[in-house]
Amino acid sequence: DAGVTQSPTHLIKTRGQHVTLRCSPISGHKSVSWYQQVLGQGPQFIFQYYEKEERGRGNFPDRFSARQFPNYSSELNVNALLLGDSALYLCASSLIRGGSYEQYFGPGTRLTVT
Amino acid sequence: GENVEQHPSTLSVQEGDSAVIKCTYSDSASNYFPWYKQELGKGPQLIIDIRSNVGEKKDQRIAVTLNKTAKHFSLHITETQPEDSAVYFCAASHRNNAGNMLTFGGGTRLMVKP
Repeated sequence: DAGVTQSPTHLIKTRGQHVTLRCSPISGHKSVSWYQQVLGQGPQFIFQYYEKEERGRGNFPDRFSARQFPNYSSELNVNALLLGDSALYLCASSLIRGGSYEQYFGPGTRLTVT
Repeated sequence: GENVEQHPSTLSVQEGDSAVIKCTYSDSASNYFPWYKQELGKGPQLIIDIRSNVGEKKDQRIAVTLNKTAKHFSLHITETQPEDSAVYFCAASHRNNAGNMLTFGGGTRLMVKP
């Protein structure tokens, strides 16, 4: 079975631009979470979606938004990019229901803002 | 909100020795504690996890212990091998029907010298 997939792998943007990152969860998983990992630090939670509804939001500005589609894939959008948005953006999928706790991460999208 | 502290930040061991990484958490409602291994250029890989109703869990050379009273948990790797070299992250989560947002520690860079 395929794991979590993310696209693109790498992205270079200029300050003020917007970016859309994409994620496909493991087949059968209905929840997707987004995390930001700045170099040298642990991942920080941005959003969690389950069954197309937002179930959690981390401490990030309104420039960050996300959505989940009927096929459970997800997009993370970031507007008005700042230099500090440069990071590895990770997507994780999980079952949520049935007593399942595990989150499985994709390879990430490396975003560089210049 | 939850706060997770992880120590040490770097750990160097000789091949065949044991390695121990320790984490503390602040939210007594947290009930799920996963450990991830992250290699260079890759997303975090779930290696073992423990739920709050269990004190210890083992999987081959890897074990995790949880002390709910003291709010700390540890990762133990025995008979370390060079391929164990990576950055390890602990995390804590309060899983409920709303979701299972992970709060990560700052990471431990483990170096296993041949």
